[in-house]
Amino acid sequence: SYVLTQPPSVSVAPGQTARITCGGSNIGSKTVHWYQQKPGQAPVLVVYDDTDRPSGIPERFSGSNSGNTATLTISRVDAGDEADYYCQVWDSSSDHPVFGGGTKLTVL
Amino acid sequence: QVQLVQSGAEVKKPGASVKVSCKASGYTLIGYYMHWVRQAPGQGLEWMGWINPNSGGTKYAQKFQGRVTMTRDTSINTAYMELSRLISDDTAVYYCARLRGSSSLSRWFDPWGQGTRVTVAS
Repeated sequence: SYVLTQPPSVSVAPGQTARITCGGSNIGSKTVHWYQQKPGQAPVLVVYDDTDRPSGIPERFSGSNSGNTATLTISRVDAGDEADYYCQVWDSSSDHPVFGGGTKLTVL
Repeated sequence: QVQLVQSGAEVKKPGASVKVSCKASGYTLIGYYMHWVRQAPGQGLEWMGWINPNSGGTKYAQKFQGRVTMTRDTSINTAYMELSRLISDDTAVYYCARLRGSSSLSRWFDPWGQGTRVTVAS
């Protein structure tokens, strides 16, 4: 089945830009969705369809997807962005969702 | 606003069953597939299966076949997930999540329930 690979952790200083990657075979041919999960809370959708943001999600959150890598970019990071981030695609061959292993974002 | 509210935490003994509810508000349950995803302590997200609340049709992840049953009661806008023959490895937070997106290439989850913690211990 399809596999998504994320780095376990990413660290960034406040005010800088965080980039969280999600690797998969020809992932650029799929659409990627991203979730933020803060400790003790449920996941929240932050980007869908590679680049779109749900209402209420700041413009600081953006996504891209090409080739074998999708990327969630968070600009002007602040302490409130500390969380685990998960990418997700739909595997049409098995007709079910696939999640990446998650990336813990630490704001230094 | 659209919201999913789940039932409270459960503590079960090995071999028992647990049934978690997920009440939808702000929309009609039958309009969207409902999925269930679990998260073991310190681990990532694991998909369990879905129910089509309109027809009652289901699809389960192979790992849970024979142990999981997903149902719904459309009269009270509520979906259920029952897991039987519990073992310690079933200790996790269980989430319901509404499926969005209309094409086979583009499907995502929004919103998620707040989660139900299930602890399996003797």
